[in-house]
Amino acid sequence: SQQGEEDPQALSIQEGENATMNCSYKTSINNLQWYRQNSGRGLVHLILIRSNEREKHSGRLRVTLDTSKKSSSLLITASRAADTASYFCATGTSGTYKYIFGTGTRLKVLA
Amino acid sequence: EAGVVQSPRYKIIEKKQPVAFWCNPISGHNTLYWYRQNLGQGPELLIRYENEEAVDDSQLPKDRFSAERLKGVDSTLKIQPAELGDSAVYLCASSLEDDRRNTEAFFGQGTRLTVV
Repeated sequence: SQQGEEDPQALSIQEGENATMNCSYKTSINNLQWYRQNSGRGLVHLILIRSNEREKHSGRLRVTLDTSKKSSSLLITASRAADTASYFCATGTSGTYKYIFGTGTRLKVLA
Repeated sequence: EAGVVQSPRYKIIEKKQPVAFWCNPISGHNTLYWYRQNLGQGPELLIRYENEEAVDDSQLPKDRFSAERLKGVDSTLKIQPAELGDSAVYLCASSLEDDRRNTEAFFGQGTRLTVV
């Protein structure tokens, strides 16, 4: 079963624009992680945000976490064609080390 | 430092045949995961090991799937017999869990299984 649900399912933007994708989840979490997956490749870890954090930055990535709404967002600024990929959120469930993935957002950045 | 290594990268087998996947986690990582990813979906956890102990295998179809992690390092995932619906990408991941329980999981490239 999958806990998280990314929104939108697919996103197409022009190079240089910002891309925002959202993740909603159902249960209490220890942390939330965002991953990128290029077609036919493995998952690449992007950023981890803990349940007591509200915002985190890494390069062109900005992640927010709202535990009261059980949601997170990933913002990619100044997008590039190389950012074209599927993006997944994975929640670390409280009390376990289990990481449960969402359904993913397929991002396409047009050059 | 080498990442999570999986083999083979691709496997095509006929239904009812057995198949095995191998995973070598990042050195020192105590936790190992096997995930299955169907086309267009997110990965779904099959089994999680802490060292050599399987601590969560609730999603593993035990009638045909088995896994082991000898000596708490490498792991193998086996399907016997394979069915058409087992076609998917099988991903292995590892992490170093500590008391804070806030660690990253690193993934291998996966094994793409096609059952014909």
